Amino acid sequence: AQTVTQSQPEMSVQEAETVTLSCTYDTSESDYYLFWYKQPPSRQMILVIRQEAYKQQNATENRFSVNFQKAAKSFSLKISDSQLGDAAMYFCAYRSGNAGNMLTFGGGTRLMVKP
Amino acid sequence: DAGVIQSPRHEVTEMGQEVTLRCKPISGHDYLFWYRQTMMRGLELLIYFNNNVPIDDSGMPEDRFSAKMPNASFSTLKIQPSEPRDSAVYFCASSLGTGKGQPQHFGDGTRLSIL
Repeated sequence: AQTVTQSQPEMSVQEAETVTLSCTYDTSESDYYLFWYKQPPSRQMILVIRQEAYKQQNATENRFSVNFQKAAKSFSLKISDSQLGDAAMYFCAYRSGNAGNMLTFGGGTRLMVKP
Repeated sequence: DAGVIQSPRHEVTEMGQEVTLRCKPISGHDYLFWYRQTMMRGLELLIYFNNNVPIDDSGMPEDRFSAKMPNASFSTLKIQPSEPRDSAVYFCASSLGTGKGQPQHFGDGTRLSIL
């Protein structure tokens, strides 16, 4: 079974600065997808960014980008120009390319943004 | 377009009572997922459906839990009888197929408190 590990329970960043959230996963598959979800205090689960394992290019979405290291099974999220609204729980998630469509989530990282 | 709609948003009930959580997926989505979120265990997949058929219910904790999807636009998660340890936030999510890493779209969740 796949596992997803987020080793940082909490992180903090100064407004306008850059922060990187770590995620590692364990799998024997070569075809899979990775996601970062944001959960603000309102408890919605909001998709931030996704990455296909077969793509070497790192995904970017405005201020959000990933550093995908397939050999190292690492999938970190970089948030540039942090804003107060970025404060939330961030979850890394894995989806197999072969076995169904279910997500395996990491334990989450709580991001605090200091004004 | 409307997102995934869950009801109720909050539910407080006494131990032993039947609880029914409801979900309306995004129109056209053929996968539906039920997750449970707790502080201790994080986000766990309970069950998922494809084209209204349950595919994997290995995450359902015990026989007190049941889920149905009578049609493409409605699903229920029922707990009978409920216990205090069932207190959690329950999320429903839907997605369109499995191709190209289609993301799951989450509802706002139901916060369930069993007294």
